[in-house]
Amino acid sequence: DAGVTQSPTHLIKTRGQQVTLRCSPKSGHDTVSWYQQALGQGPQFIFQYYEEEERQRGNFPDRFSGHQFPNYSSELDVNALLLGDSALYLCASSLLSNEQYFGPGTRLTVT
Amino acid sequence: AQSVSQHNHHVILSEAASLELGCNYSYGGTVNLFWYVQYPGQHLQLLLKYFSGDPLVKGIKGFEAEFIKSKFSFNLRKPSVQWSDTAEYFCAVNPDNYGQNFVFGPGTRLSVLP
Repeated sequence: DAGVTQSPTHLIKTRGQQVTLRCSPKSGHDTVSWYQQALGQGPQFIFQYYEEEERQRGNFPDRFSGHQFPNYSSELDVNALLLGDSALYLCASSLLSNEQYFGPGTRLTVT
Repeated sequence: AQSVSQHNHHVILSEAASLELGCNYSYGGTVNLFWYVQYPGQHLQLLLKYFSGDPLVKGIKGFEAEFIKSKFSFNLRKPSVQWSDTAEYFCAVNPDNYGQNFVFGPGTRLSVLP
């Protein structure tokens, strides 16, 4: 049973560019949440998707958007990248309960 | 807004020493509580969780945590640490009426000296 998978593992982008990160939830899970983890800090909640809709959002600008597909996989899009967007982006999946399973993350570096 | 604080940024212990990592949260309602661990180069893994019932919960690898509602605390403990416990530890709170949004603390880095 595959856990949460994310792609790519690492990514380097230039300031002002756009990026798309991908997440496949753990088998049987229907809810996907995205987090940003800056170096030396705890994960910060970006948003959550359920039934292909954004159900809840944290304190992140509109440059951060996402999608969820019928197979429950999800994408995180970040537009107009800033240097401060450099971080580890984590995807977590769950099914109804409040226990979230995390993927390995995508390390985004903005230069 | 909800917040989670962790008492120590970096803890250094020798093997076999006892461990206690503090976690406090600010939220007045019902909460679900979690401790996650992040070993070097690995993803976040759930150590233990508290939803309701016995406030003393046991997790994997000999860890336990105690929920003290009056103190808004959920401290993590282990009687005897091992070198392999070296990792970053995160406390997380899920306010019960906020769906599945987790609020994480800043983390405590534990270094265990052999």
